[in-house]
Amino acid sequence: NAGVTQTPKFQVLKTGQSMTLQCAQDMNHEYMSWYRQDPGMGLRLIHYSVGAGITDQGEVPNGYNVSRSTTEDFPLRLLSAAPSQTSVYFCASSYSRVRVAGELFFGEGSRLTVL
Amino acid sequence: SQQGEEDPQALSIQEGENATMNCSYKTSINNLQWYRQNSGRGLVHLILIRSNEREKHSGRLRVTLDTSKKSSSLLITASRAADTASYFCAPYLFQGAQKLVFGQGTRLTINP
Repeated sequence: NAGVTQTPKFQVLKTGQSMTLQCAQDMNHEYMSWYRQDPGMGLRLIHYSVGAGITDQGEVPNGYNVSRSTTEDFPLRLLSAAPSQTSVYFCASSYSRVRVAGELFFGEGSRLTVL
Repeated sequence: SQQGEEDPQALSIQEGENATMNCSYKTSINNLQWYRQNSGRGLVHLILIRSNEREKHSGRLRVTLDTSKKSSSLLITASRAADTASYFCAPYLFQGAQKLVFGQGTRLTINP
């Protein structure tokens, strides 16, 4: 199994451009989420989804959109990139969605630089 | 907040020594998880301890949980160079939605 696959691994954008970070998992997990990791800030939750058609905001949702049309895919869209969105983005999935949080499986990350 | 706070922020020890990292949190929890992150990689789940458990082992890892003190510790015994990584705790409390929040982690360096 591939686990959680993120693409692209690296991306450079200019301020104002839009792009989509792709995330796919092949473990039939209901729960999927996006984090960003910045030096000295730890990981911060952007958006998450507990199943197809259901998404919700995390700690830092502004400037990002998500959708969940299938169980496997959870893309993260940057609407108008800003230098403050320069970060490493991680997608994570889990088999559990209620009460007892299950183990999160992480992708290898997508490093985004906004000039 | 469910966010855990790891202590120390950085730890450097000699290979073969034991490493202990601590995590404190502020709310009651359903469980607490520990993760490892090697440089430039995604996080990897190490161990999950439920709120009604006090201690759990997995190989060279030992996790304790003290819900009265709202704290947990991760002990790595007989450390190896490959244990060099950042370690994160994630306390979890179900509040109508599943959100796992991470702190800044402990950066562990094992010196040969």
